[in-house]
Amino acid sequence: GAGVSQTPSNKVTEKGKYVELRCDPISGHTALYWYRQSLGQGPEFLIYFQGTGAADDSGLPNDRFFAVRPEGSVSTLKIQRTERGDSAVYLCASSLNLAGPNEQFFGPGTRLTVL
Amino acid sequence: DQQVKQNSPSLSVQEGRISILNCDYTNSMFDYFLWYKKYPAEGPTFLISISSIKDKNEDGRFTVFLNKSAKHLSLHIVPSQPGDSAVYFCAASVPSGTYKYIFGTGTRLKVLA
Repeated sequence: GAGVSQTPSNKVTEKGKYVELRCDPISGHTALYWYRQSLGQGPEFLIYFQGTGAADDSGLPNDRFFAVRPEGSVSTLKIQRTERGDSAVYLCASSLNLAGPNEQFFGPGTRLTVL
Repeated sequence: DQQVKQNSPSLSVQEGRISILNCDYTNSMFDYFLWYKKYPAEGPTFLISISSIKDKNEDGRFTVFLNKSAKHLSLHIVPSQPGDSAVYFCAASVPSGTYKYIFGTGTRLKVLA
């Protein structure tokens, strides 16, 4: 079956611009996570959705970052007034989120470059 | 504050030999640990996991060992194959309703033919 997909695969923008990154999770997966991976680092948690609601947004670095999942499936990560430090690979993952920790399935990521 | 640490950024092993990747953690509340493998331009893919109530889990060529007293886990790959060359991330699951992962910085494994 189809895995997690993310679009675009690459995004180049200028400092100060607004960007949207999209994630299509595996069908039926109620849990959705966004992570950010900077060069030489492991993925860092940003936000977690259970269904339509953001159950944990403690990883969002500041209020320029926002994410939505209006119908409990596709999610969009939105970054306002981008800064060069936002350049990273943004990863989306989904899981069944049964009781207890479950395997998270990751998409290929969106590489964001802020010039 | 790096709660999950992989102190070896890279490792080279001859094909057929054992690869041992190490991971240390600081938070004794972590209750579930995972290893993910990542190829360039792809997302991480799940490899193997272990619950904190166990000290070993095996799946084919891959075995994960957990030493809770030392807050240390390791991944053994035997025999190593060239296709195993990738970046390996250790991750720990936070014992809360979110089950978010805390990742280490990764170890790049190169298996030499």
